[in-house]
Amino acid sequence: DGGITQSPKYLFRKEGQNVTLSCEQNLNHDAMYWYRQDPGQGLRLIYYSQIVNDFQKGDIAEGYSVSREKKESFPLTVTSAQKNPTAFYLCASRGVTGHHQPQHFGDGTRLSIL
Amino acid sequence: GQQVMQIPQYQHVQEGEDFTTYCNSSTTLSNIQWYKQRPGGHPVFLIQLVKSGEVKKQKRLTFQFGEAKKNSSLHITATQTTDVGTYFCAGRYSGAGSYQLTFGKGTKLSVIP
Repeated sequence: DGGITQSPKYLFRKEGQNVTLSCEQNLNHDAMYWYRQDPGQGLRLIYYSQIVNDFQKGDIAEGYSVSREKKESFPLTVTSAQKNPTAFYLCASRGVTGHHQPQHFGDGTRLSIL
Repeated sequence: GQQVMQIPQYQHVQEGEDFTTYCNSSTTLSNIQWYKQRPGGHPVFLIQLVKSGEVKKQKRLTFQFGEAKKNSSLHITATQTTDVGTYFCAGRYSGAGSYQLTFGKGTKLSVIP
């Protein structure tokens, strides 16, 4: 979606290195989400944030960290504790006026291990 | 945790044939959304179903929500090569987890011209 920008598109990580994936949105959405996508696994929730300065763990938060200092930004750090980080990472946002708004996704970041 | 099961995982059809994917939850859903992800792309929202027994149509696509709000289906009539991609259902539950969507694993559709 044009309103959500993820960068970089491709990222390579060395063993023992932390890397940060960027997600910026200009949709004025309160809620933001990070998903991991592996082949045949669908989308699994890593972290989500309903409002600035607040975030909650999803189903697979171990080895990841996030921050939400600004409404527009929700960066994801893949730490060295994440032993199998190779995946496609998707950021999404959603307006929270009413409970039924869809999620809008960025183009994703493909992370690989060197 | 809550899970949404989606079948089949893969479907290969001849162009012009119909296609259906099914989603099922063991507990009642607040609503269900459907997304399409083209190869190499990101999920794009298709539709949302909220009411028990709801049926919605978008051209050749028909979406249904079960009477018990535990299952849903997407049916494509007379598939075209532009329908290729992975179709995901995503359920929302009421209560503390209502800000989250629980995605099915998706059905990957291939259309043979």
